[in-house]
Amino acid sequence: KNEVEQSPQNLTAQEGEFITINCSYSVGISALHWLQQHPGGGIVSLFMLSSGKKKHGRLIATINIQEKHSSLHITASHPRDSAVYICAVRSLETSGSRLTFGEGTQLTVNP
Amino acid sequence: DGGITQSPKYLFRKEGQNVTLSCEQNLNHDAMYWYRQDPGQGLRLIYYSQIVNDFQKGDIAEGYSVSREKKESFPLTVTSAQKNPTAFYLCASSTPGQPYEQYFGPGTRLTVT
Repeated sequence: KNEVEQSPQNLTAQEGEFITINCSYSVGISALHWLQQHPGGGIVSLFMLSSGKKKHGRLIATINIQEKHSSLHITASHPRDSAVYICAVRSLETSGSRLTFGEGTQLTVNP
Repeated sequence: DGGITQSPKYLFRKEGQNVTLSCEQNLNHDAMYWYRQDPGQGLRLIYYSQIVNDFQKGDIAEGYSVSREKKESFPLTVTSAQKNPTAFYLCASSTPGQPYEQYFGPGTRLTVT
């Protein structure tokens, strides 16, 4: 079993829909990252969380440390949100800044 | 304009040849990383370096080698011993100390035939 599990693997939505992507992890962590990968392959960091909730524009990320679970929400989705969304954690058991990654969620938003 | 550059974006090689992928950063980050990405799988760590002249194996280091002679540069060599070298390779660096935020390069897609 992977240390980081994401669901769903694939998600198709209509423009304007509210989207939720989930991430569950099995280890103690010091931080959780949400990343976005566009078709060209480049990755950008969306959020880094260690507790609570963060919001940036139409994106919201939440984390529940006790339940070892995080969600990424996209409000009023748009075709330009189509990308792979990746959850990654920094485990308390590994040294320094190493991350462990989920397999990613492929999101397609249709106009 | 700070960031991480990887070159080239696409690389083609014949089986049995070693190939070196370039990664340069001007973010003044101490730590750098190489990841491999295969379809349907999460990023896997090949090698990482916390400081110049030091590096550690990641989870899938077999068939790869690295060097870290300068803070800005962390080249990855894919050797002929790597059984399945065709993949997308991503380089990253992270801020010194907490919260260790990682910044990623644009990636190099390597095809070996």
